[in-house]
Amino acid sequence: EADIYQTPRYLVIGTGKKITLECSQTMGHDKMYWYQQDPGMELHLIHYSYGVNSTEKGDLSSESTVSRIRTEHFPLTLESARPSHTSQYLCASSADYNHVYEQYFGPGTRLTVT
Amino acid sequence: DAKTTQPNSMESNEEEPVHLPCNHSTISGTDYIHWYRQLPSQGPEYVIHGLTSNVNNRMASLAIAEDRKSSTLILHRATLRDAAVYYCILLNRDDKIIFGKGTRLHILP
Repeated sequence: EADIYQTPRYLVIGTGKKITLECSQTMGHDKMYWYQQDPGMELHLIHYSYGVNSTEKGDLSSESTVSRIRTEHFPLTLESARPSHTSQYLCASSADYNHVYEQYFGPGTRLTVT
Repeated sequence: DAKTTQPNSMESNEEEPVHLPCNHSTISGTDYIHWYRQLPSQGPEYVIHGLTSNVNNRMASLAIAEDRKSSTLILHRATLRDAAVYYCILLNRDDKIIFGKGTRLHILP
């Protein structure tokens, strides 16, 4: 079983609030990712990191920001939450070995902005 | 990122084999074919991968065409727990994993 954790699992918050979604992994993986997914819809990559102090934007534009100060920790922050940010956010990590690109996913955070 | 084409949805009866197709006509020589699946209310999980030869593991088998322009994920005996969205993805070193729409597999009891 993968050792990747996300908190909180569920969050209901009012418009304009600042929120941070936490993601941690204990596998020592260099690569970490954030995906956004609405119910029944595609997963969209919004941020990724290939190591400490390295962050990149993904394929879907997002108003969120990320940081990678420690290998095991990859938090996502929304400075001012809006109802359009309501979605599920999934964190993942991976290690490449022998051309196996196996990602491990956390349980997700379901965010509702009212 | 190289592109793949999968049917939007498929149905299969429980305890029967399921063949999930994937076309990847623009695959490059160094692309590895990966399959992931996403069970309801969960994040995706790795299923299997291959380069040229057919592959088997405890979850599934992967059959790769000789020209590598298509592949088929085989579930030998589908159960209700196999109902999920299955993603076929081509990956190379340092590629980002982009999931696409995948194939939604329905299992009929």
